[in-house]
Amino acid sequence: DTGVSQDPRHKITKRGQNVTFRCDPISEHNRLYWYRQTLGQGPEFLTYFQNEAQLEKSRLLSDRFSAERPKGSFSTLEIQRTEQGDSAMYLCASSLAGGPNGNTIYFGEGSWLTVV
Amino acid sequence: AQSVAQPEDQVNVAEGNPLTVKCTYSVSGNPYLFWYVQYPNRGLQFLLKYITGDNLVKGSYGFEAEFNKSQTSFHLKKPSALVSDSALYFCAVRGSGNTPLVFGKGTRLSVIA
Repeated sequence: DTGVSQDPRHKITKRGQNVTFRCDPISEHNRLYWYRQTLGQGPEFLTYFQNEAQLEKSRLLSDRFSAERPKGSFSTLEIQRTEQGDSAMYLCASSLAGGPNGNTIYFGEGSWLTVV
Repeated sequence: AQSVAQPEDQVNVAEGNPLTVKCTYSVSGNPYLFWYVQYPNRGLQFLLKYITGDNLVKGSYGFEAEFNKSQTSFHLKKPSALVSDSALYFCAVRGSGNTPLVFGKGTRLSVIA
């Protein structure tokens, strides 16, 4: 499978614990995005990387959230001191910068987080 | 700021009938418009996009969408609905440059046999 891969698919954690999600983009894609989706809503942009550089962060990305893409390949999204309001599906996506397919982003299957 | 409106939370259609899922947008400059589909507990799958060129765009699974600049709309259509088309559909827009995709709230399509 050469699509976007996310791990874990499901995570249940207690309030106050830290969680980390991993995303492996499509191999030739240099842009990587994180979105959050709650029930009944569309995906909301959190942040994106071009190669290893984090180019934009949403106001939704509080200081408890941190994303990295250290080698320009896979990325991690860490949530510290989780709160019940963090319960959502975290979606990773990737794309090429430029070219005829450069505007299309492809999503992974998502990582469900439940904070209890 | 860019935004997307999907005015219908739910669309019901009989199998074999044509379907339309509505989307209007607001963006500075030329829009880049997309439709995605989401099945239960899954990620989003790309259906089609409009960047430039013909206003009628054809995509996966027999879907098409018509870009209307004067009405700032990008409605998704299919001539003959299938039960398997039942899913959540999202319209998304971005402007020029490196602005991120902004999604609508989604429209749930239910195709009844």
